[in-house]
Amino acid sequence: GQNIDQPTEMTATEGAIVQINCTYQTSGFNGLFWYQQHAGEAPTFLSYNVLDGLEEKGRFSSFLSRSKGYSYLLLKELQMKDSASYLCAVMDSNYQLIWGAGTKLIIKP
Amino acid sequence: DGGITQSPKYLFRKEGQNVTLSCEQNLNHDAMYWYRQDPGQGLRLIYYSQIVNDFQKGDIAEGYSVSREKKESFPLTVTSAQKNPTAFYLCASSKSGGSGANVLTFGAGSRLTVL
Repeated sequence: GQNIDQPTEMTATEGAIVQINCTYQTSGFNGLFWYQQHAGEAPTFLSYNVLDGLEEKGRFSSFLSRSKGYSYLLLKELQMKDSASYLCAVMDSNYQLIWGAGTKLIIKP
Repeated sequence: DGGITQSPKYLFRKEGQNVTLSCEQNLNHDAMYWYRQDPGQGLRLIYYSQIVNDFQKGDIAEGYSVSREKKESFPLTVTSAQKNPTAFYLCASSKSGGSGANVLTFGAGSRLTVL
């Protein structure tokens, strides 16, 4: 079966750096997405990786290793507004998105 | 500003009743989707549509129905056949459904509670 694994919850300190991991086993691969979702709100797109390597976008970076079935989202200079759930999703060979359960990130002052 | 509008934001339903959740987009996107979100689980696809007057079942379509009569609109009906309908429902759209960099834009969600 297809599976996406992420930690359920993580805690970090304001101003610090945190890395959220995502491992996947899917039928084919057509890209990996990261979305941010604040409680009770809509998910919003953060990043897309289809080739191996690091994609940097401001304070957020996303890394992909297709051979290892692994990605991470790196958040730098954490702010209180970064408290949210972070959703990892993989597009399979049929262009269907398979979603992880999300990682709830708690930022402490 | 373009976006997706879902209504109502909160909805209470008695057992045995059908309810319809509205989803409207003005992004000129071809593809639209309905997801269900439950605590501790990933988003699960209910139905999707890549073109007007056509839609496909997702992973958990039983007890739900949709229509796509207009490009802008993709309403979801939760029928009395859905055994556990209490959930957060998310509507999304994208430019096209069959490509890799298929970024979804989501609506704010509708929370359905069955009493």
